[in-house]
Amino acid sequence: NAGVTQTPKFRILKIGQSMTLQCTQDMNHNYMYWYRQDPGMGLKLIYYSVGAGITDKGEVPNGYNVSRSTTEDFPLRLELAAPSQTSVYFCASSVDWGSGNTIYFGEGSWLTVV
Amino acid sequence: KNQVEQSPQSLIILEGKNCTLQCNYTVSPFSNLRWYKQDTGRGPVSLTIMTFSENTKSNGRYTATLDADTKQSSLHITASQLSDSASYICVVSARSNYQLIWGAGTKLIIKP
Repeated sequence: NAGVTQTPKFRILKIGQSMTLQCTQDMNHNYMYWYRQDPGMGLKLIYYSVGAGITDKGEVPNGYNVSRSTTEDFPLRLELAAPSQTSVYFCASSVDWGSGNTIYFGEGSWLTVV
Repeated sequence: KNQVEQSPQSLIILEGKNCTLQCNYTVSPFSNLRWYKQDTGRGPVSLTIMTFSENTKSNGRYTATLDADTKQSSLHITASQLSDSASYICVVSARSNYQLIWGAGTKLIIKP
């Protein structure tokens, strides 16, 4: 079972470059999320989506953009990369955001901006 | 401000021993509390989810407790194994908007 799949696993970017982190899930979940995890810190929500065509900002959306054209895919776009965006990025999905629903995570994407 | 604090920050125990990890939260109104296990270099994996009315929930050798009055939770690991070495993260959901507040985690190391 694939679950939530993220690519790439590792990437080094130069300051000012742009890139897209890909995320796809095969569980037909409506809700999808992008988190970042900095060393020693809790996960921070960047963007989330409650269904195809619907996205909204989380706690730390600045410097990022998302789109949700299909139920399966939820790419995260980094525009004009900055060193502060060096982090581990996790994509996740769930049936909905309600009580008791398990959130499934991808394996993470390690991004370094130099 | 909604916060989740975990203790200890890190813990080293010998294989076969038991341990208890703590989570205190100030999230209100409370919806549910989750414990996740995160292996190094991997994504978090759900261990338990507890709602307001549940005060104990088990998943194999993992037992989570919840005291909604004192806003505290604990994760007890019995007969630890080397594969239990990981970070354990407490996550609390607010009922008002289902926002998830993530703790920083406890890094557990099991030594043979």
